[in-house]
Amino acid sequence: NAGVMQNPRHLVRRRGQEARLRCSPMKGHSHVYWYRQLPEEGLKFMVYLQKENIIDESGMPKERFSAEFPKEGPSILRIQQVVRGDSAAYFCASSPIQGEQETQYFGPGTRLLVL
Amino acid sequence: GDSVTQMEGPVTLSEEAFLTINCTYTATGYPSLFWYVQYPGEGLQLLLKATKADDKGSNKGFEATYRKETTSFHLEKGSVQVSDSAVYFCALTNSGGSNYKLTFGKGTLLTVNP
Repeated sequence: NAGVMQNPRHLVRRRGQEARLRCSPMKGHSHVYWYRQLPEEGLKFMVYLQKENIIDESGMPKERFSAEFPKEGPSILRIQQVVRGDSAAYFCASSPIQGEQETQYFGPGTRLLVL
Repeated sequence: GDSVTQMEGPVTLSEEAFLTINCTYTATGYPSLFWYVQYPGEGLQLLLKATKADDKGSNKGFEATYRKETTSFHLEKGSVQVSDSAVYFCALTNSGGSNYKLTFGKGTLLTVNP
């Protein structure tokens, strides 16, 4: 049973480009969460999605960031017109059940570097 | 808002040494407390948890006790092994409708030498 998959593991972008981060949840999981870890900080909640629905995006920056979890395929975190301050590790987690934090299974993360 | 402060790393120990990683928190209400571990190249894994005051979470020889009076949840292990080398994260969730939101500390890198 494969765990949560994230790709790419490392992503380098120049300022102004777009970054697309992918997360494939564990088989049978329909709830996905994205967290961001800025340098020298802890992981911070960004967004919670179910299939085709955004449940809570209170941690998402108001501009340039968007997330989706389509009926088929992985969840995508999209960052438009990246800036140096977007450099961070982005972690995805999935769960089979809503709201039970102990069942969030994390992926290995995507390290984004903006030059 | 809620926050978690944990011991700055890195921590380097010899095999069989005693481990303590300090963690304190600030939260309204009645948070649940967690320790997660991240082994090299892998995702975060739940190590242990405690959901109310004086509860002790334990797993794989690690322990942590929820201390409401000192707002702490320190991680301890009596005898570390090389395989315990990893990054350890203290985290909390708060009561209420959005209890899926984990608030993490910055992480502490532990290296255990043979």
